[in-house]
Amino acid sequence: DTEVTQTPKHLVMGMTNKKSLKCEQHMGHRAMYWYKQKAKKPPELMFVYSYEKLSINESVPSRFSPECPNSSLLNLHLHALQPEDSALYLCASSQTTGTGLNSPLHFGNGTRLTVT
Amino acid sequence: DAKTTQPPSMDCAEGRAANLPCNHSTISGNEYVYWYRQIHSQGPQYIIHGLKNNETNEMASLIITEDRKSSTLILPHATLRDTAVYYCIVRVLYNFNKFYFGSGTKLNVKP
Repeated sequence: DTEVTQTPKHLVMGMTNKKSLKCEQHMGHRAMYWYKQKAKKPPELMFVYSYEKLSINESVPSRFSPECPNSSLLNLHLHALQPEDSALYLCASSQTTGTGLNSPLHFGNGTRLTVT
Repeated sequence: DAKTTQPPSMDCAEGRAANLPCNHSTISGNEYVYWYRQIHSQGPQYIIHGLKNNETNEMASLIITEDRKSSTLILPHATLRDTAVYYCIVRVLYNFNKFYFGSGTKLNVKP
């Protein structure tokens, strides 16, 4: 079990669909992250939110739209995806202040996305 | 940000110590070394981190060389459940949000 919960665990969507991935944590962390992981590759950083504001966008295509509605929730809205976007999408969270500046990231188990 | 270099794979006999090396020769003074592992189809799991002193917790030990250019993660008594990909990550303190994974080492623990 992890303290970062991601839903759904699996998602299949067509290229014209709109769907959302959800991530939730109740550890009081104020930094939240989205990563994308292709098979047999390391996770790649996509977005980082700090205090509900987007602080890092790693040049991700606009068909991926992140949202952080409050300090516990992180969404990733998907629209007009391509088959090559099929991957494991991982959410993480971490502390942001004081001694928490070097605190580790806590990861969820991801959403396995398949674009058909 | 400093880059890390790890061997792509290693084997270890069950019950023996697993020593996983990581090279981070361009590390600077304000960068921490983190280790994570990822078991198939799960999210990465935090193991340990350190700045310059050796660190130990219930999972592993982290040995950082005096010049900080390399480190070794030690699993003292490897079990089959330790089979996973192990990632060594260097993280800049002042830019704590940037957390990049390297290519990792696939550790195969064999009976």
